[in-house]
Amino acid sequence: DAGVIQSPRHEVTEMGQEVTLRCKPISGHDYLFWYRQTMMRGLELLIYFNNNVPIDDSGMPEDRFSAKMPNASFSTLKIQPSEPRDSAVYFCASRNRVPNTEAFFGQGTRLTVV
Amino acid sequence: AQSVTQLGSHVSVSEGALVLLRCNYSSSVPPYLFWYVQYPNQGLQLLLKYTTGATLVKGINGFEAEFKKSETSFHLTKPSAHMSDAAEYFCAVTPNNAGNMLTFGGGTRLMVKP
Repeated sequence: DAGVIQSPRHEVTEMGQEVTLRCKPISGHDYLFWYRQTMMRGLELLIYFNNNVPIDDSGMPEDRFSAKMPNASFSTLKIQPSEPRDSAVYFCASRNRVPNTEAFFGQGTRLTVV
Repeated sequence: AQSVTQLGSHVSVSEGALVLLRCNYSSSVPPYLFWYVQYPNQGLQLLLKYTTGATLVKGINGFEAEFKKSETSFHLTKPSAHMSDAAEYFCAVTPNNAGNMLTFGGGTRLMVKP
């Protein structure tokens, strides 16, 4: 398996534009997580899915953020409209259903909003 | 609910010296514990994990960690630091009661001086 695949690796956009980040989890994994990493706040869990269903989105900062998982092999995180404070590295991770197994992370998307 | 505290956001050691990165956790049920490493511009990758059994666990690159229930700790050590160990290290916890929330500490940046 190629691991968790995120695209794009880098995104630069202007304030007010819509941004869509994409993630392909490892095949067979039941859980998918979206994290945001910044210098100030560290690694924050935004939302996670179990079998394509959102379970906990309490970490989503505000209504400008939305996430979907239309099928087991694809998820998106959308920011509309984007703001400079959304600049961060966004990670997707996936994990199988067994609790003692680790989460596998993608390489991340570095988002810069100017 | 669970939480993780990593004491020291920055640790600096000389090449060849002992590495000790501290992690304390709180969990309402017996935990599974993980250490991840993040190299610059990369995602997180697993160093080692504790699930059950032997409390001293060995990971990649010569790292090991010991689970001490009485101290609610899971400190990461390496006898002799190498320049290539410079990275950010994250401790994480998940409950062993089939919950799948992986909670991360704030991270410790390890610097290795020549």
